[in-house]
Amino acid sequence: NAGVMQNPRHLVRRRGQEARLRCSPMKGHSHVYWYRQLPEEGLKFMVYLQKENIIDESGMPKERFSAEFPKEGPSILRIQQVVRGDSAAYFCASSPRNREGETQYFGPGTRLLVL
Amino acid sequence: DAKTTQPTSMDCAEGRAANLPCNHSTISGNEYVYWYRQIHSQGPQYIIHGLKNNETNEMASLIITEDRKSSTLILPHATLRDTAVYYCIVRVGRSGYSTLTFGKGTMLLVSP
Repeated sequence: NAGVMQNPRHLVRRRGQEARLRCSPMKGHSHVYWYRQLPEEGLKFMVYLQKENIIDESGMPKERFSAEFPKEGPSILRIQQVVRGDSAAYFCASSPRNREGETQYFGPGTRLLVL
Repeated sequence: DAKTTQPTSMDCAEGRAANLPCNHSTISGNEYVYWYRQIHSQGPQYIIHGLKNNETNEMASLIITEDRKSSTLILPHATLRDTAVYYCIVRVGRSGYSTLTFGKGTMLLVSP
């Protein structure tokens, strides 16, 4: 049973470009969560999605960031017009459901570097 | 939100038991205690979780006090590969679902 997959593992962008981060949840998991880890800091929740729905985006910046989880295919975290402050590790997690006692399993992360 | 308090760092000799404490004095009755760890540059790895009873799996044991205000994660025979940041997290429930709130964790250094 493959774990959560993320690609690319490393992404370099110049200021003003777009970054697209992909997350394939574990088989049978329909809940996806995105977290961001800035250098030397802990993980911060960004957004929680179920298939085709955004459930909670309270941790996601209002501008330039968007997320989707289509009926078919991976979840996408999109960052438009990247700035140097977007440089971070972005982790995706998945779970089969979301309720107390349900575990989230994390992927290896995408490390974004903005030049 | 129930907050957790952990020591910033701990040392452990290889082969010995590592006991990582966590305080969560404001935990609610239906909130679980989760432990994750993050080895340098990797994604967080789930270790164990519990509600009231002590739990054990192939990785670790979780001891929760009777009043649930604190818990201890035990790695029975620490190896060098257990060097990581360990996060104690109380699962916050909000409108029927919950997310994970990571603090700074405990940096465990296992030495030969």
